[in-house]
Amino acid sequence: GQQVMQIPQYQHVQEGEDFTTYCNSSTTLSNIQWYKQRPGGHPVFLIQLVKSGEVKKQKRLTFQFGEAKKNSSLHITATQTTDVGTYFCAGPGYGGATNKLIFGTGTLLAVQP
Amino acid sequence: DGGITQSPKYLFRKEGQNVTLSCEQNLNHDAMYWYRQDPGQGLRLIYYSQIVNDFQKGDIAEGYSVSREKKESFPLTVTSAQKNPTAFYLCASSIRPGGGSETQYFGPGTRLLVL
Repeated sequence: GQQVMQIPQYQHVQEGEDFTTYCNSSTTLSNIQWYKQRPGGHPVFLIQLVKSGEVKKQKRLTFQFGEAKKNSSLHITATQTTDVGTYFCAGPGYGGATNKLIFGTGTLLAVQP
Repeated sequence: DGGITQSPKYLFRKEGQNVTLSCEQNLNHDAMYWYRQDPGQGLRLIYYSQIVNDFQKGDIAEGYSVSREKKESFPLTVTSAQKNPTAFYLCASSIRPGGGSETQYFGPGTRLLVL
């Protein structure tokens, strides 16, 4: 079945260090979304990428969609304690399942002050 | 103040008991979704509804049931057939159907614990 994997599963950084999480799909995606879930909270939409090779920035966050539209990355520059949480990528289901959003396994980011 | 509300925040279920989780939205969104999240894991789709009076099974529908009698409401019943119901349940909605390409807005979630 369709899989969306993220690496690493967990990363611990010192405040001020950079952080990157990678998302890989077993199938080509028409678009990819990124969500952030704070500890004990609910997922919150961050961004959606649609075009092959697309790069979008939100302040210290940089999102990239791969040329083959099967992978994506989220890079945070100079992490802050407010960046703590789990970051999920998500893409449409494959074939007849395009009405479903398939979430990645998530990357938990811990930031030490 | 628009948004998605879920109640209760915490719910305890006894063995063999059915429980219903509430999800209400005042965003006028067409589509609604139920996800299950286990500790340290991602979100798995239980059921989704694209329009009123219609819903489809997600990836882990066994032991769950839903209804969509009103646009703003999408309650989830966890039946006694669900043998491992302890989890964090998240309700979400999107403006339009086509959940794979639409931004989803999540409620605060309900934590279900089995006694």
